[in-house]
Amino acid sequence: QKEVEQNSGPLSVPEGAIASLNCTYSDRGSQSFFWYRQYSGKSPELIMSIYSNGDKEDGRFTAQLNKASQYVSLLIRDSQPSDSATYLCAVPSGYSTLTFGKGTMLLVSP
Amino acid sequence: GAGVSQSPSNKVTEKGKDVELRCDPISGHTALYWYRQSLGQGLEFLIYFQGNSAPDKSGLPSDRFSAERTGGSVSTLTIQRTQQEDSAVYLCASEDPPDTQYFGPGTRLTVL
Repeated sequence: QKEVEQNSGPLSVPEGAIASLNCTYSDRGSQSFFWYRQYSGKSPELIMSIYSNGDKEDGRFTAQLNKASQYVSLLIRDSQPSDSATYLCAVPSGYSTLTFGKGTMLLVSP
Repeated sequence: GAGVSQSPSNKVTEKGKDVELRCDPISGHTALYWYRQSLGQGLEFLIYFQGNSAPDKSGLPSDRFSAERTGGSVSTLTIQRTQQEDSAVYLCASEDPPDTQYFGPGTRLTVL
């Protein structure tokens, strides 16, 4: 059974700071990784995907992948109160399913 | 364009009753997934459809749960003889390209 682990948080950061969200996975053969954001009471939405070791930047978001250490992280620069949500890490498994972590709750205070 | 839609948005039922939850995926998406999310928990995979067939039903928690998909489009998740532990938000997602899933708004099921 493939596992995806995340610290449940909450991770509290002040507005304007960098938020760092981490995820570890058990399957060394995993090739692709996804970050979803879920606002309270809403459904998850895809915000980042990463396939290669290193960094991938998209606006204020940077995904970092280290396959040797089996972790993937999401950095949010200049955090805003509107970034307050639960962030889910997901890794493909099985036929074509995704295994999701339980998510890290991020709270950005004004 | 239109996203994934689900109905009903909320369903309250009595223990022992059957319920049907519906999912309309994004047009043209052949892959469809059902998940459930209990309060404070992660997403629990239930079943995956490719077209009308379900190659992976491994997540269905018991034989009270079943799902079908017709015409490669609409899918229905049926829970028979509901139990209180079935209370959760049931999420549907359709996928294109592979591994890029778009979620519907979910159905909140409450079993009294």
